[in-house]
Amino acid sequence: EDQVTQSPEALRLQEGESSSLNCSYTVSGLRGLFWYRQDPGKGPEFLFTLYSAGEEKEKERLKATLTKKESFLHITAPKPEDSATYLCAVHLSGNTPLVFGKGTRLSVIA
Amino acid sequence: EPEVTQTPSHQVTQMGQEVILRCVPISNHLYFYWYRQILGQKVEFLVSFYNNEISEKSEIFDDQFSVERPDGSNFTLKIRSTKLEDSAMYFCASSPEGQGYGYTFGSGTRLTVV
Repeated sequence: EDQVTQSPEALRLQEGESSSLNCSYTVSGLRGLFWYRQDPGKGPEFLFTLYSAGEEKEKERLKATLTKKESFLHITAPKPEDSATYLCAVHLSGNTPLVFGKGTRLSVIA
Repeated sequence: EPEVTQTPSHQVTQMGQEVILRCVPISNHLYFYWYRQILGQKVEFLVSFYNNEISEKSEIFDDQFSVERPDGSNFTLKIRSTKLEDSAMYFCASSPEGQGYGYTFGSGTRLTVV
């Protein structure tokens, strides 16, 4: 059973068309939730860490929010250069490693 | 901005051969990790390393795998007797304080076993 589920698997947007990506988790005792961006053939690039419900972080056109069961990555007025796979990962407790979801592949069309 | 450096970027090896994947973590980071990503699948944890020893490992990280920090800067992943299913992107990552902080990942080594 997956602990981290991301939806949708793929999302195609027109340039300027805002939307949200979802990351839901089924575990309790979340210590932190991480968002990464991954370009094809590259390593994940760190975007945000969220630690508690209600927390929000912003970076350029991206805004990440966290509730007790899920996180959203909102993308406002996306540009083609925002096209990438967005990964969500959770840190559960102590020394357990980050557990990643399968990602959402975002394509932004000019 | 500090980077995690991985070499080689691409390695092709014959089935049954041994490979060593190399990583130079960020210099003041204390925790080191190896993850892999099979094409089209999610990023999977292999092993974490702290204070010159393994702190956590996954079921994937069996006797075929080993890690080493041979000097103050390098961190290596050795895969013995490679199999076709070992073909994947292997990512090294480091963090300054441990699991609760964002890891910095390298660009990866694409391992192809033929």
